[in-house]
Amino acid sequence: DGGITQSPKYLFRKEGQNVTLSCEQNLNHDAMYWYRQDPGQGLRLIYYSQIVNDFQKGDIAEGYSVSREKKESFPLTVTSAQKNPTAFYLCASSPQGGGGSPFHSPLHFGNGTRLTVT
Amino acid sequence: GQQLNQSPQSMFIQEGEDVSMNCTSSSIFNTWLWYKQDPGEGPVLLIALYKAGELTSNGRLTAQFGITRKDSFLNISASIPSDVGIYFCAGPMEYGNKLVFGAGTILRVKS
Repeated sequence: DGGITQSPKYLFRKEGQNVTLSCEQNLNHDAMYWYRQDPGQGLRLIYYSQIVNDFQKGDIAEGYSVSREKKESFPLTVTSAQKNPTAFYLCASSPQGGGGSPFHSPLHFGNGTRLTVT
Repeated sequence: GQQLNQSPQSMFIQEGEDVSMNCTSSSIFNTWLWYKQDPGEGPVLLIALYKAGELTSNGRLTAQFGITRKDSFLNISASIPSDVGIYFCAGPMEYGNKLVFGAGTILRVKS
């Protein structure tokens, strides 16, 4: 079955440490995304990538970094510069949309990683 | 910028009741997406709407793309306990490269 796998499901870190969240997809989708979810708020876009070796900042990229070395993988690193890192992180993918924009195709989401930083 | 306002923020209904929720914006959207998120999981696409005035059903769910292209509605008929979750509307911005999400409607069902 095709899908998106995020690991781990739960992650605990001490303040000041960098942490990397994994996201792998076998849907052969070109575009991949990272969203952050906080209670009572909609999903906020951190970074997205439309093609291997290329990615763009979303609305809240500060304190985060990504890489896209393979089509299937889009890991997110939460750095110590992120002021409020505790959140639920969602990875998603989509086929490349018409006109070059990936956002006109519905997103397929993974099951998320809950990060707690103390 | 473009924002989506979802209402109600939360609902606590009796099993068997019908549910209505909506999403509005001051900007035009060319696509409306409705997702459901079960507790502790990622959102799953329920319905996608691509044309103004479009009415689409998926089982007990029905969604409509508003004529003005500034709103969309989701109805759930005869709710059941597994309908519990957060429902999000979303749409791509008309200009620019971003998918915008509403804050979600939390649905709780009493059995």
